[in-house]
Amino acid sequence: DAGVTQSPTHLIKTRGQQVTLRCSPKSGHDTVSWYQQALGQGPQFIFQYYEEEERQRGNFPDRFSGHQFPNYSSELNVNALLLGDSALYLCASSSYSGAQLYGYTFGSGTRLTVV
Amino acid sequence: GENVEQHPSTLSVQEGDSAVIKCTYSDSASNYFPWYKQELGKGPQLIIDIRSNVGEKKDQRIAVTLNKTAKHFSLHITETQPEDSAVYFCAASRGAGGTSYGKLTFGQGTILTVHP
Repeated sequence: DAGVTQSPTHLIKTRGQQVTLRCSPKSGHDTVSWYQQALGQGPQFIFQYYEEEERQRGNFPDRFSGHQFPNYSSELNVNALLLGDSALYLCASSSYSGAQLYGYTFGSGTRLTVV
Repeated sequence: GENVEQHPSTLSVQEGDSAVIKCTYSDSASNYFPWYKQELGKGPQLIIDIRSNVGEKKDQRIAVTLNKTAKHFSLHITETQPEDSAVYFCAASRGAGGTSYGKLTFGQGTILTVHP
């Protein structure tokens, strides 16, 4: 059973460009959350998607947007890239039952470098 | 919002010794506390978690304790091995109820080094 898969694994972009990162959740999971992890820091919550809608958002600007598809996979888009956007972007999938959180599982991430 | 403080930032132990990492949280509504291990080039891997209705949980060499009154929780690793060397993160969440939807707030991480 494949876990959470993310693509690409590494990416180099120029300041001002746009980038799209992709995530396939673990089988049986219907919720996808995205996190940004700067070097030497803990992951920071960007947003979460459920039933193809953004359900909760962290303190990130509108340059960060996302999408969830009917098969539960998700994309993270970042516009007008800044040098400070360089980080490891993590996707986590989960499912809910009776208002309890289950199976919060992270992928290996996409390393984004903005030059 | 929620704030999670984690200490120490680095921890060096000899193989076979115990290691303890401590975290404090600010949101009294938090009710789910997972611990993650992150190895170089990989995403965080859940190693143990505890919910607010439990004070302690063990899984072989790993244990977590929770003090809701003081709003702190700790990770205990006994009989450490070189393979335990990694970055460890604590996190807190309000769980999936209300408007929380399971958002995790992470500590800053602890670099654990186990020397053979």
